[in-house]
Amino acid sequence: GAGVSQSPRYKVTKRGQDVALRCDPISGHVSLYWYRQALGQGPEFLTYFNYEAQQDKSGLPNDRFSAERPEGSISTLTIQRTEQRDSAMYRCASSQGVENTDTQYFGPGTRLTVL
Amino acid sequence: GDSVTQMEGPVTLSEEAFLTINCTYTATGYPSLFWYVQYPGEGLQLLLKATKADDKGSNKGFEATYRKETTSFHLEKGSVQVSDSAVYFCALNSGNTPLVFGKGTRLSVIA
Repeated sequence: GAGVSQSPRYKVTKRGQDVALRCDPISGHVSLYWYRQALGQGPEFLTYFNYEAQQDKSGLPNDRFSAERPEGSISTLTIQRTEQRDSAMYRCASSQGVENTDTQYFGPGTRLTVL
Repeated sequence: GDSVTQMEGPVTLSEEAFLTINCTYTATGYPSLFWYVQYPGEGLQLLLKATKADDKGSNKGFEATYRKETTSFHLEKGSVQVSDSAVYFCALNSGNTPLVFGKGTRLSVIA
């Protein structure tokens, strides 16, 4: 398909386990963003990349969270030693360019549940 | 920092009623403004956008005008349908930055 894809769509894990969430952006899109959305709230920024360079990671809650985009395409968000408070919908978006006029296109999200 | 405030829901309307969802923002510089929609069981989709003052974004019968003087970007539709039931998010982008979203407004349209 031509849209942003994310996998897995649903992830249930036990507290203390590590999880890796994958995002495959629209082909050729320069920028890739990660957001987290709690129930009943709007998405909140975590981190973003232009090409393979991580531009801003100020939204990552703590050092258990990390992200990479080594070849400027697919990105992985990793959460180490998961905690129940990490349960949320994790959304990925990509945009063609780096201007604020560029539309961000969102994937379907990964619903993470930490037991 | 940048922020978006939108009216709290839920909003319940009868089919063919007029819809307004208020959105105001605080931002440095000249942001672009967006409305995203999330239909039940689906991801976020761009509904419309405006990139400069006085621009009007429109799509699927929805409209919103970028009002710099009132820092607003209210969403309107003249006649809603049951299929418009969804959560609507107002958002802004001030530069090479991530989107800043409002909390969302849930709309339910009843036949």
